[in-house]
Amino acid sequence: KQEVTQIPAALSVPEGENLVLNCSFTDSAIYNLQWFRQDPGKGLTSLLLIQSSQREQTSGRLNASLDKSSGRSTLYIAASQPGDSATYLCAVGSVNTGANNLFFGTGTRLTVIP
Amino acid sequence: EADIYQTPRYLVIGTGKKITLECSQTMGHDKMYWYQQDPGMELHLIHYSYGVNSTEKGDLSSESTVSRIRTEHFPLTLESARPSHTSQYLCASSGRGKGYTFGSGTRLTVV
Repeated sequence: KQEVTQIPAALSVPEGENLVLNCSFTDSAIYNLQWFRQDPGKGLTSLLLIQSSQREQTSGRLNASLDKSSGRSTLYIAASQPGDSATYLCAVGSVNTGANNLFFGTGTRLTVIP
Repeated sequence: EADIYQTPRYLVIGTGKKITLECSQTMGHDKMYWYQQDPGMELHLIHYSYGVNSTEKGDLSSESTVSRIRTEHFPLTLESARPSHTSQYLCASSGRGKGYTFGSGTRLTVV
């Protein structure tokens, strides 16, 4: 079964700092990898989707990379802002599974201090 | 803009009542999902559908039921609500190569 781990579990940074969130997965047979953000008590907002054939995706201040062979992805946030404070979830679309093929990481709770 | 909609956003209901949580998507996605999430905890898949008249149970056992009569609509029903059903319920859909899109969720409280 695919296992997805995110490090660190929590991160607190001053405003303006660049930061990296890490995601690792155990089975490299994946369709894609998706990064989400979740605000407290809210749904998930998709940030970036990387297909298995891609190495990275960028959207504004966000850049996500994918290294399928090593089972790793990173989410880079440039010039962090207090509005970036949320929980960030990595989710892997896995090939070698049954019908449920989306596996979520444990999440990183980010706090950006003004 | 195409999206996925959940209603109600919040629901407080008494024990024993029957409730239906609504989920609709306008993206034409074949696959739809229901997740349950307690505060600060991970998401658990409770139901999914691969298309009209297709419904399956997810990893987490749930007393709820679902139906998929139309592509765009995937309601979740609890026949008799209990306090143990208090949680947030998130609906999602996915299209081929498109990733998952989530609704805003329904926060259910059973008193």
